[in-house]
Amino acid sequence: GQQLNQSPQSMFIQEGEDVSMNCTSSSIFNTWLWYKQDPGEGPVLLIALYKAGELTSNGRLTAQFGITRKDSFLNISASIPSDVGIYFCAGPATGGYQKVTFGTGTKLQVIP
Amino acid sequence: EAQVTQNPRYLITVTGKKLTVTCSQNMNHEYMSWYRQDPGLGLRQIYYSMNVEVTDKGDVPEGYKVSRKEKRNFPLILESPSPNQTSLYFCASSDGTGGFAPLHFGNGTRLTVT
Repeated sequence: GQQLNQSPQSMFIQEGEDVSMNCTSSSIFNTWLWYKQDPGEGPVLLIALYKAGELTSNGRLTAQFGITRKDSFLNISASIPSDVGIYFCAGPATGGYQKVTFGTGTKLQVIP
Repeated sequence: EAQVTQNPRYLITVTGKKLTVTCSQNMNHEYMSWYRQDPGLGLRQIYYSMNVEVTDKGDVPEGYKVSRKEKRNFPLILESPSPNQTSLYFCASSDGTGGFAPLHFGNGTRLTVT
């Protein structure tokens, strides 16, 4: 099945630094959803994007729906230790909107 | 409290011994789905259900069964588990359609098949 590619796969950053990650697809997406998974828990929605070019913020998090509709970006400003976790992008699968496609995930480690 | 509840949290079993992982949501959501999470592969959808008695395959349905007899429950059944089904499983629900609507996830079931 289709998968979304996320990069980087993992990253170590110093507390206080800004973080950027992205998600790319070979096909057009109409919706991008960004989730965060804390260790030992299920993913939780961070930001939802529904329109090409859309830029949406949630506290220190900002996500963008790429103009080409084949990518999306998530930025975290001034990282803190509780930002540790795995970040996933997701959207409706090509050819079947009832199905959901997830990205491979970006694992973030924050060094205090 | 609105939530998706999965049981058990941890399960160790042997090859071929049938098992069921339960999932229940209290948000009156129509859409429910199951995922498995494996390192480097992210989350992959196993099965989903648009409503009671309506289920369909996701990307990795082989070796799994589901049923949706009530709106709140969506159990995942492994008739004859094999070691390659060792994984972390998540159930999720939403009040919209599949990939468009935000999903609410349970806390996961870690399954080990020996």
